[in-house]
Amino acid sequence: DIQMTQSPSSLSASVGDRVTITCRASQTISIYLNWYLQQPGKVPKLLIYAASSLQSGVPSRFSGSGSGTDFTLTIDSLQPEDFATYYCQQSYSIPRTFGQGTEVEI
Amino acid sequence: EVQLVESGGGLVKPGGSLRLSCAASGFNFKEDWMNWVRQAPGKGLEWVGRIKSKADGGAIDYAAPVKGRFTMSRDDFENTLYLQMNSLKSEDTAIYYCTTDGRFGGDYFDYWGQGTLVTVSS
Repeated sequence: DIQMTQSPSSLSASVGDRVTITCRASQTISIYLNWYLQQPGKVPKLLIYAASSLQSGVPSRFSGSGSGTDFTLTIDSLQPEDFATYYCQQSYSIPRTFGQGTEVEI
Repeated sequence: EVQLVESGGGLVKPGGSLRLSCAASGFNFKEDWMNWVRQAPGKGLEWVGRIKSKADGGAIDYAAPVKGRFTMSRDDFENTLYLQMNSLKSEDTAIYYCTTDGRFGGDYFDYWGQGTLVTVSS
């Protein structure tokens, strides 16, 4: 199975900050990497697919990059609704696997 | 508008069974691949399994922790996805989400239901 490791596990930030979360795969996954946001008590929501494609309706302050084993999610100008947990997920092979999550706190 | 509505969760004793349903609307269900993803209380996301469309062969894949105990199926006439869960363990306690499998430009979980809570406890 492909292991996905996110860093950091949590971070503190302020409204307006630029935040970067990294995700590393245990083997190459090309660009088969997706990012999700989960606000407290809510359903996960797709932000980025195929490493850098923005899902329809997602604000442009979210961006993704990377290929192979190392990936990054960047949030420009953090907004109050962005305080949540972020997960990366590989879709290169079965079983699909998620990172452990990164909690972005105020 | 795509809608996924899960039902069937509840409290069950270890070793018991439960069947979850996911009613789909707003898209061509029979052409879509579908997944179950679960989340234990206070924990991260865990993929449970995927079922392909019948047009694509209908193959089903499972995560190792549920293989042999859980069975996914679909009713394309009723636009419903199912998850039959047998020999339940305490570690199966989680919110279970059904998701669509978006495959345009990638492979991702693009739509999610609101989830149904399964609690396995004596």
